[in-house]
Amino acid sequence: RKEVEQDPGPFNVPEGATVAFNCTYSNSASQSFFWYRQDCRKEPKLLMSVYSSGNEDGRFTAQLNRASQYISLLIRDSKLSDSATYLCVVNRRSNFGNEKLTFGTGTRLTIIP
Amino acid sequence: ETGVTQTPRHLVMGMTNKKSLKCEQHLGHNAMYWYKQSAKKPLELMFVYSLEERVENNSVPSRFSPECPNSSHLFLHLHTLQPEDSALYLCASSLQGHEQFFGPGTRLTVL
Repeated sequence: RKEVEQDPGPFNVPEGATVAFNCTYSNSASQSFFWYRQDCRKEPKLLMSVYSSGNEDGRFTAQLNRASQYISLLIRDSKLSDSATYLCVVNRRSNFGNEKLTFGTGTRLTIIP
Repeated sequence: ETGVTQTPRHLVMGMTNKKSLKCEQHLGHNAMYWYKQSAKKPLELMFVYSLEERVENNSVPSRFSPECPNSSHLFLHLHTLQPEDSALYLCASSLQGHEQFFGPGTRLTVL
């Protein structure tokens, strides 16, 4: 089983729609969680951290369910500029004490005008 | 602008060449990372340096040799690579326990 699993998509969604991505992780020792965004041929950039209580940043809402080892991202009122690949990222402290990020393969989103 | 720069942005090399990738961060971070991103695969962590000491090597072949001379600079020395090593090589930096910031990457093609 992959350490972080995401639906690769692609998701083709009309502008203004709501879209949700899901992600599961296998290591229960994982400590922190993130969504990164990667545009075509660019580097990944942090979109938002994911907290146990759930958190919102404008049109974006992230949820974490530690019991089910499940993370979600909801995008409301989607814009053309939201087209990108969304990476689910899980962080744990390695045996050496450093932070170790594990990335999912990403979910590709295209917003259609 | 993330404050993490990488050079060169594109590199084409033969299997017998020796080349180096360079990463520089201006964010005051104390950890630096090399990742490999191949088509249709997740980012793969290659090396981690924390306080200029290599703390993780994820079973990377010895034809990849990292170097971290100080907290702002990270190199990846390449020699006798294989065509399957063609990929996007991303450098990242962070403060311990905080999110990682990525450079723009070096797109490497091995002929």
